Amino acid sequence: NAGVTQTPKFQVLKTGQSMTLQCAQDMNHNSMYWYRQDPGMGLRLIYYSASEGTTDKGEVPNGYNVSRLNKREFSLRLESAAPSQTSVYFCASSLAGSYNEQFFGPGTRLTVL
Amino acid sequence: GENVEQHPSTLSVQEGDSAVIKCTYSDSASNYFPWYKQELGKGPQLIIDIRSNVGEKKDQRIAVTLNKTAKHFSLHITETQPEDSAVYFCAARNRDDKIIFGKGTRLHILP
Repeated sequence: NAGVTQTPKFQVLKTGQSMTLQCAQDMNHNSMYWYRQDPGMGLRLIYYSASEGTTDKGEVPNGYNVSRLNKREFSLRLESAAPSQTSVYFCASSLAGSYNEQFFGPGTRLTVL
Repeated sequence: GENVEQHPSTLSVQEGDSAVIKCTYSDSASNYFPWYKQELGKGPQLIIDIRSNVGEKKDQRIAVTLNKTAKHFSLHITETQPEDSAVYFCAARNRDDKIIFGKGTRLHILP
């Protein structure tokens, strides 16, 4: 099992450009999450999907959109990138419910110039 | 909403000594407290968790204690080894069924 995979690993964008971060899991998990990690700020939830067909905002959703394409895949889109979105982005998945372990992907390091 | 405070932000201990990381939470309804370890260049990984119906849980060299009255919980690592060097995150499940993470502690194990 690959677990949680993310593409790309690194990306550099110019202000105003758009891009989609891809995430897939092969553990048959219902719930999937997108976090951003900034120095000194810990992990902050951007969006999550409790189950296929549903998405909800987290703590810092502004400037982002998500799509739960199917049970395996959960993508994060930046429509018009800003320097404040420079960060490391992690996708995670878990069985349904917040008592279950979240399994994280290796992360995408995004720089917006 | 839930606020999880974590201290210290950086901790250095001699190999073989113990390390303690402390967290406090604000939502009295919180009832689940996981700890994650993040090694360099990787995503976080769950190392231990505790539910509010117990005060302590141990797994080999790692233990977590919970004081519900004071709303704080701690991670204890004994006999530290070089591979314990990492960033550790505490977290708490709040009343909205969300996991809120602390800001992290960078642990250095000194040879």
